[in-house]
Amino acid sequence: ETGVTQSPTHLIKTRGQQVTLRCSSQSGHNTVSWYQQALGQGPQFIFQYYREEENGRGNFPPRFSGLQFPNYSSELNVNALELDDSALYLCASSLRALRETQYFGPGTRLLVL
Amino acid sequence: GESVGLHLPTLSVQEGDNSIINCAYSNSASDYFIWYKQESGKGPQFIIDIRSNMDKRQGQRVTVLLNKTVKHLSLQIAATQPGDSAVYFCAEKKDNYGQNFVFGPGTRLSVLP
Repeated sequence: ETGVTQSPTHLIKTRGQQVTLRCSSQSGHNTVSWYQQALGQGPQFIFQYYREEENGRGNFPPRFSGLQFPNYSSELNVNALELDDSALYLCASSLRALRETQYFGPGTRLLVL
Repeated sequence: GESVGLHLPTLSVQEGDNSIINCAYSNSASDYFIWYKQESGKGPQFIIDIRSNMDKRQGQRVTVLLNKTVKHLSLQIAATQPGDSAVYFCAEKKDNYGQNFVFGPGTRLSVLP
């Protein structure tokens, strides 16, 4: 176990709705990255938060947004859900932002109907 | 665009044999690589990493080899066990801004009794 926790484990939403996913980083880690993993594919980088600020973003639209709190936990928010947003959402924490090993949580499985 | 890919999408090996999982990367500027193992329903689990100033790194039953000349990465698992059955991903550190790791599509390793 990595010490990275995510909630909820599973979630079902309908198109157009909004969702918030949560992540608690491993103790002592100040950096959180979010990834989307579609079925049968590798994780795709969404964005990273370091010391409560966005520190890099992948090719995802603005309706994907995030927050990091002073205790380094993080949220991923997705607005106007689309069917293609159905995926496993993974959170990974690391000690620092650059060139550091990332440790993943178990993920949140989101199904959009 | 730049990508990380795998030569073999599936690999079946006999229990006790050695496994070799390959990965090709296209960004010659990448300087950090990680191998992850992902079991069904779980997040990716860190196995081993290697930086570009090294050619080889060994862990417990695993060895990672990096050939920068041909931009090739491999993971060797000694004495493969049933618990090694999973999908294996190589991840490439894309740039120095944030932790933008690029994951390949993965190789499924099946260990036969």
